[in-house]
Formats: sequence, C-alpha cells, structure tokens
Amino acid sequence: QKEVEQNSGPLSVPEGAIASLNCTYSDRVSQSFFWYRQYSGKSPELIMSIYSNGDKEDGRFTAQLNKASQYVSLLIRDSQPSDSATYLCAVNESEGFQKLVFGTGTRLLVSP
Amino acid sequence: GAVVSQHPSRVICKSGTSVKIECRSLDFQATTMFWYRQFPKQSLMLMATSNEGSKATYEQGVEKDKFLINHASLTLSTLTVTSAHPEDSSFYICSASEAGGTDTQYFGPGTRLTVL
Repeated sequence: QKEVEQNSGPLSVPEGAIASLNCTYSDRVSQSFFWYRQYSGKSPELIMSIYSNGDKEDGRFTAQLNKASQYVSLLIRDSQPSDSATYLCAVNESEGFQKLVFGTGTRLLVSP
Repeated sequence: GAVVSQHPSRVICKSGTSVKIECRSLDFQATTMFWYRQFPKQSLMLMATSNEGSKATYEQGVEKDKFLINHASLTLSTLTVTSAHPEDSSFYICSASEAGGTDTQYFGPGTRLTVL
C-alpha cells in the first residue's frame, strides 16, 4: 500500500522565522509531488507542485525534492500568522489514473 | 485560472433523504474529477474517481449504490448521497484535473452535509 507520511505537529514557529515541513513517501516510481494548504473548515488549496529533484521556489515558499531518499519538503520563509494552517503533502499514485495519495498533514502555528 | 466550484456549500437534510452535490470546473475542461470526504480533524479520504463519460471508480469500502456519481460533461460531476443518515454527515470536497494537463488536482470549496 502506497503511503505518504507527515508529522502531524503542531509545528510552532515565531513570526518571521522559517518553517520547515517534511514528507516521505513509499512509492519509488512516483513522479509528481504537491503541497496543499488547508485552513480549518476550508478545502485544500494548491501551493506548489514539484517534479524534478532539487529546489523550486515560488515567493516565500520553496519545495525540495529528493527522489533517492523519497523525501519532499516545504520551506516557508518569513512565516506569518496567516500561514497557520494544515499543510498536506500529496504524491501521485503511479498505477492510478491521476490519483494522488495524501499525507495526514502537518499543522503549522505561527505566533505573532 | 483552474477554478472549481461546488454547490451547495452547506446542506442540512433529514435522515432518509437524498442530497445531490454539484462540482464544476469553471475555466477548464476536466477529464477526471475526484470526490473526497473529510471528517473533523481527519485527513482527506478519497471516495471515488470520476471520468467523463464512464462509470466512476470507487475506493474500497465506499458503497457505489449509496454514493452515486455522474460525470456527464467535461465540466460537471455530481455526487448524490442516497438515503442519507447521520453518519454520512461530513465535509464533501471535489477536485478536478485538467484534460491533457498534469495530474495537479484543483479543489472545490467543499460542501458541508449535516444529516439530522
């Protein structure tokens, strides 16, 4: 069974700090990796996708992928209280038609 | 771009009634739509994958006769919860992948169902 593992948290960081969120996955042939943010009571919203090893930056967000280690992370620079949410890591299921396997999410708390 | 809408956003119904939820991709064509359910403080649970013009593929443990899915066009999928019971109360969320695009899923805002 394909799995995506995340620390449930909460991860607490002060405002302005860097928040580091981590995710490991079990399917070696997965090719697509996503980070979604979900506020309480709302649906997930896409933050970033990453497909190649290395770093991908978008504003304050940087996704890092290491396929050899089956590891993907999300860094949030200059964290703001509005970043407080649950962050979901998702990995494509190589055998399923565009299906994604989601982790249980890491809850991030950014204190003012 | 890549906007997905859901209707209704919230519904309260009596036990035994059926509820239909619509999911629309507003600015793109979606070959595939997904239906998820999320209970409080739990992660997303995929219920079924819906492909335009064909029968939906249900995840293990999801009753296809209870959760009817229709994907009649490239922009619309519907989920009907038949004979709803209080244990069906949950947050139902659809997502859509763009036809010919990547496997990125764009989520609708969700429908909160309460069955009395």
